[in-house]
Amino acid sequence: QVQLQESGPRLVKPSQTLSLTCTVSGGSISSGTYLWSWIRQPAGKGLEWIGRVYNSGFTNYNPSLKSRVTISLDTSKNQFSLKLNSLIAADTAVYYCAREDPVASYFDFWGQGTLVTVSS
Amino acid sequence: QSALTQPASVSGSPGQSITISCTGTSSDVGRYNLVSWYQQHPGKAPRLIIYEDNKRPSGISDRFSGSKSGNTASLTISGLQAEDEADYSCCSYAGPTPWVFGGGTKVTVL
Repeated sequence: QVQLQESGPRLVKPSQTLSLTCTVSGGSISSGTYLWSWIRQPAGKGLEWIGRVYNSGFTNYNPSLKSRVTISLDTSKNQFSLKLNSLIAADTAVYYCAREDPVASYFDFWGQGTLVTVSS
Repeated sequence: QSALTQPASVSGSPGQSITISCTGTSSDVGRYNLVSWYQQHPGKAPRLIIYEDNKRPSGISDRFSGSKSGNTASLTISGLQAEDEADYSCCSYAGPTPWVFGGGTKVTVL
């Protein structure tokens, strides 16, 4: 059974950069054709797809966040990471990492989520 | 504002059927047969319950069903049970983005 776990700071100051890591267990992040995504959910609001990384390292980003986002892969640690810069209060949200099945087109495994608060 | 529109809340009594709508556009819901639905209990990660508009993953009760007409997808929960009380979100492939979600619907079992 594949499991994903987010880690990173819970509180970040405005204008700074958020760095989160997703550790994958139960399967290799570099095998198969799966894609690895970050998704966030502000309190009381809907989910928002942030971006994804292929096992080749190729990335896609949500156009609304593209200028501030970098997602990368570390196959040696079986992890992938999110960096979001120039933080504002509206970036406060629960951040999830998830595995995407590109054939069936769905997110089949999710992390538990981590709440990140942007505040001075 | 979310890309896909869902009602904020839907309620029903045990045993009843409820339907949650998810309205998009001809660029997402109406263009691709790639609507999925996720169930989320408080403090928990989303769980896939419907994919490709109307398919159920292994292990998901047949009380959950999906359908679509034009730019609107729907999730129906039949034989409503207390354990179905949760938030439900739709998601659609949208080409360049490529994924857009709805704002979520809170289901209350009366």
